[in-house]
Amino acid sequence: DAMVIQNPRYQVTQFGKPVTLSCSQTLNHNVMYWYQQKSSQAPKLLFHYYDKDFNNEADTPDNFQSRRPNTSFCFLDIRSPGLGDAAMYLCATNRGGQSYNEQFFGPGTRLTVL
Amino acid sequence: KNQVEQSPQSLIILEGKNCTLQCNYTVSPFSNLRWYKQDTGRGPVSLTIMTFSENTKSNGRYTATLDADTKQSSLHITASQLSDSASYICVVSAMNKGGKLIFGQGTELSVKP
Repeated sequence: DAMVIQNPRYQVTQFGKPVTLSCSQTLNHNVMYWYQQKSSQAPKLLFHYYDKDFNNEADTPDNFQSRRPNTSFCFLDIRSPGLGDAAMYLCATNRGGQSYNEQFFGPGTRLTVL
Repeated sequence: KNQVEQSPQSLIILEGKNCTLQCNYTVSPFSNLRWYKQDTGRGPVSLTIMTFSENTKSNGRYTATLDADTKQSSLHITASQLSDSASYICVVSAMNKGGKLIFGQGTELSVKP
């Protein structure tokens, strides 16, 4: 089935140790998003790619980086995770072209920082 | 400022009862409004999506309404089931490239037997 896949589902890292979260999609969508969601809060958009065009949100810390090597894959790199970066990280896709299109979310990766 | 506000923040109901969740927004220019269901520890799953010309849309026991004039939406759940326990998030999209979404804080629904 076409879907948005996130790996791993659970990630534990140490304070300051770089970590990479992975997202892949079989929908062939143009747009891929990364969100951070903390407990009992709404998802917060970190950045998105429209094809190869990277769009960073103004308040996204420099500690968060992203790569999209091809249409199917998008990575979230946290260069030096702090305790405050512990959260659920959601990847989503959108066909693009017009904002009516539905965003499809992956199951998320829950990040724990020790 | 584009905002989406939901009420109530949390709700407890008995299995089999109906409930209605509210969403008010100030997003402009408005493109569409979506309701998502998010189970604990999972990604959001779309329930309904409506443009400004649509007043109501149903998906099984879920019925969403939209009043684009007053900028209000509601999600009505009929004959609730234990599996309806989740967070329900109202999300509004503005007319811009990339379909950026503005999320509400969600309503935490708990259905008790």
